[in-house]
Amino acid sequence: AQSVSQHNHHVILSEAASLELGCNYSYGGTVNLFWYVQYPGQHLQLLLKYFSGDPLVKGIKGFEAEFIKSKFSFNLRKPSVQWSDTAEYFCAVKSSGNTGKLIFGQGTTLQVKP
Amino acid sequence: GAVVSQHPSRVICKSGTSVKIECRSLDFQATTMFWYRQFPKKSLMLMATSNEGSKATYEQGVEKDKFLINHASLTLSTLTVTSAHPEDSSFYICSAEREGRSDTQYFGPGTRLTVL
Repeated sequence: AQSVSQHNHHVILSEAASLELGCNYSYGGTVNLFWYVQYPGQHLQLLLKYFSGDPLVKGIKGFEAEFIKSKFSFNLRKPSVQWSDTAEYFCAVKSSGNTGKLIFGQGTTLQVKP
Repeated sequence: GAVVSQHPSRVICKSGTSVKIECRSLDFQATTMFWYRQFPKKSLMLMATSNEGSKATYEQGVEKDKFLINHASLTLSTLTVTSAHPEDSSFYICSAEREGRSDTQYFGPGTRLTVL
């Protein structure tokens, strides 16, 4: 069965620190990859997605992610975090064989201290 | 664009009663909507896929008679939790795909259900 694993459950950083959140998935076929963010009290929003092409994907608010097929990974990065980045981050995978079905990771809580 | 709303945002009910949650796509038509359940400090778990005009597809382990889904129009899907019990207390989130585009899901703000 497909699964998504996020290694960091709770990350605490100071402003201006660099961020990398790990995401690994288990599925041998073609996948579409997503990172969603959920700010406190708000709904999930799409940060970025990878379907094909350049494995380095740039999203909103300065976030980027790199798809490394050999490692089944899609790690999220940001060179310099801000207090406003405090939120819950979810990695998600959709296999090409399962139209619409998103499998989510457990989520990572990011707390940025001012 | 691509706004999804849910109503109510929060509901408290007595054990044994039924609760209906609405999910609406406000500025686009959605042939497919999804219902998720989110447990505290846990991930989103897909419950079912709802297609306009047809029966919903439920994930393994989800009771279709308990969680009734209706997708009567291209902008509205409803989830009814029948004979709710305290273990049904959770955060229910819906999402929708734009008609003709299955690459991205847009999420609603969620509904907090508490069953006493």
